[in-house]
Amino acid sequence: DQQVKQNSPSLSVQEGRISILNCDYTNSMFDYFLWYKKYPAEGPTFLISISSIKDKNEDGRFTVFLNKSAKHLSLHIVPSQPGDSAVYFCAASARNQFYFGTGTSLTVIP
Amino acid sequence: EAQVTQNPRYLITVTGKKLTVTCSQNMNHEYMSWYRQDPGLGLRQIYYSMNVEVTDKGDVPEGYKVSRKEKRNFPLILESPSPNQTSLYFCASTPGGEGSEQFFGPGTRLTVL
Repeated sequence: DQQVKQNSPSLSVQEGRISILNCDYTNSMFDYFLWYKKYPAEGPTFLISISSIKDKNEDGRFTVFLNKSAKHLSLHIVPSQPGDSAVYFCAASARNQFYFGTGTSLTVIP
Repeated sequence: EAQVTQNPRYLITVTGKKLTVTCSQNMNHEYMSWYRQDPGLGLRQIYYSMNVEVTDKGDVPEGYKVSRKEKRNFPLILESPSPNQTSLYFCASTPGGEGSEQFFGPGTRLTVL
């Protein structure tokens, strides 16, 4: 049973606009959440993370929001750039184990 | 250059023929892990290791073995591969501690006929 879900397989956004990628989880024991970006033929690369005791973390153009009551997190990319086109994975960790979502393919249209 | 390396990058084999996928990191990380990526399922953790001689099962350990004799190496062993182990495999390492970013290798595409 998938404990971390990304319900949107794909998303298209115009360059310069905001990209919002969503992630839902079921396990209330998760204590860290992370976002990874993946280009074809490469391994995932880390983007940003958030502890379960926080509700927002920002790093440059990337902001992650966590809503624990809804068991939902989102990644905001502002402004979106063509180089952001990739697959984005949401991940959660508990007791040294990691659980990933199925990924959302983001296309930023120039 | 800090990196995680995997070998081979591509492998086609037949059912039942034992194989090993090697993984090595040069960052002195304590935590290492193996994942498989399948369409519609995302990345699923197979095994992880908190340190030398310490390994634990992840979400999908059936059919796999690992060992951690040295800090830098974490090989994945398929003693009797089956077609349902056809997948894209990633090795990753992290300095340790939950929430730490994982550094991923480039992936190994395995096909079991």
